Formats: sequence, structure tokens, C-alpha cells
Amino acid sequence: GQNIDQPTEMTATEGAIVQINCTYQTSGFNGLFWYQQHAGEAPTFLSYNVLDGLEEKGRFSSFLSRSKGYSYLLLKELQMKDSASYLCAVMDSNYQLIWGAGTKLIIKP
Amino acid sequence: ETGVTQTPRHLVMGMTNKKSLKCEQHLGHNAMYWYKQSAKKPLELMFVYNFKEQTENNSVPSRFSPECPNSSHLFLHLHTLQPEDSALYLCASSQTSFTGGETQYFGPGTRLLVL
Repeated sequence: GQNIDQPTEMTATEGAIVQINCTYQTSGFNGLFWYQQHAGEAPTFLSYNVLDGLEEKGRFSSFLSRSKGYSYLLLKELQMKDSASYLCAVMDSNYQLIWGAGTKLIIKP
Repeated sequence: ETGVTQTPRHLVMGMTNKKSLKCEQHLGHNAMYWYKQSAKKPLELMFVYNFKEQTENNSVPSRFSPECPNSSHLFLHLHTLQPEDSALYLCASSQTSFTGGETQYFGPGTRLLVL
């Protein structure tokens, strides 16, 4: 079967760095997405990785290792507004997104 | 900022009611999706439409009936729902659903409570 695993909840301090991991097993691979979802709001696109390596976009970076079925989202200089759920999703061979259950990130002052 | 709108934002209905959820995208996309999001569970894909044609139905019970009159509008008609259908229903759109890397853009969702 297809499976995406990510931690249920993480806590970090304002100004610090946090890494959210995602491991996957899917039938085929057409890229990995990270989305941010604030409570009661729409998921919003953060990043897309299809090749191995690190993609940097401001305070957020995303890494992919296809051979290990592994990705992480790195958030630097954390701000209170970064408190949200972070969703990992893999596009399978049918171009459908397979989703993880999300990681709730709590930022403390 | 979102180019996908959904109405209503909240809905409470009894098990014998009939209601409809509406989604509209202003992004010029050709693919639209319905997802179900339950607490602490992964998003579940329900239906996919490409160019108004349904291309995916992930074994969704017949009490959920989608309708896509054009590439910009998507409806989800609900009837005789069960309490376990209470969830957040998200609509999304993308340029197509046939190529890799297409980003999906989401609406804010309809929070549905079935009593």
C-alpha cells in the first residue's frame, strides 16, 4: 500500500530552527509537495521537490532523497505566525497526491 | 490569497436533508478536486474532474454526488449523510491532473456537521 509518515506534533521556540521529516512509500513518484495549513484555513503551497537535493525559498527549505524515500522541511528564524500544520504529499504514478496526516507545529515565545 | 472560493463555509444538516457545496476557481485551471479532511487523518481524495469530465472517483459512497458544469465550477451534492461524514470538505484546482508537478490550489473548505 501507499504510505506517508510524518510526526503528529512538534514544538519549537520563536527564532529557532525546526526540521519536519516525511518518509514515504508510494507506487511511483512524480514529486513531493509541502503545504502549510493554518487552523480553519486552506492548505497553501510551500514547495515542490522532484530531484534529489535542497530547495531554498526564503526562511523555508525542502530536501528530498528519492533513494531513501525521505524529505524534510526546514524552517529557520521561526515566527509565531509559523504555528500551523505542515502537510507532506507525494504525487504517485497516476498523478494523484497521497497525503500525510500533517505535523502540527507549535511555536512558543 | 486564494483564487478558489467555497460556499458555505459552515453547514449543519440532519441525516435526511439534501444540501450542496459550491466551489469556484478564478485561476483558469482545467482540473478540479474534492477532498475530505477529518481530524488527524490524511486528506482523502474523493473526485477529480478534468475539462468537466470526471476522471477519478475514489470509491465514494453514492450519498455524495459531484457535478461539474464547467471548468470553473464544481458542486458536491449531499443527501442522507451519516454522522461520520462530518468533516472539512476541501475543493482544489490545478492546471491539469495528467502531468507531474502540477500544484493544487485549495479553497478554504466547508466545515460540515451531520447530526
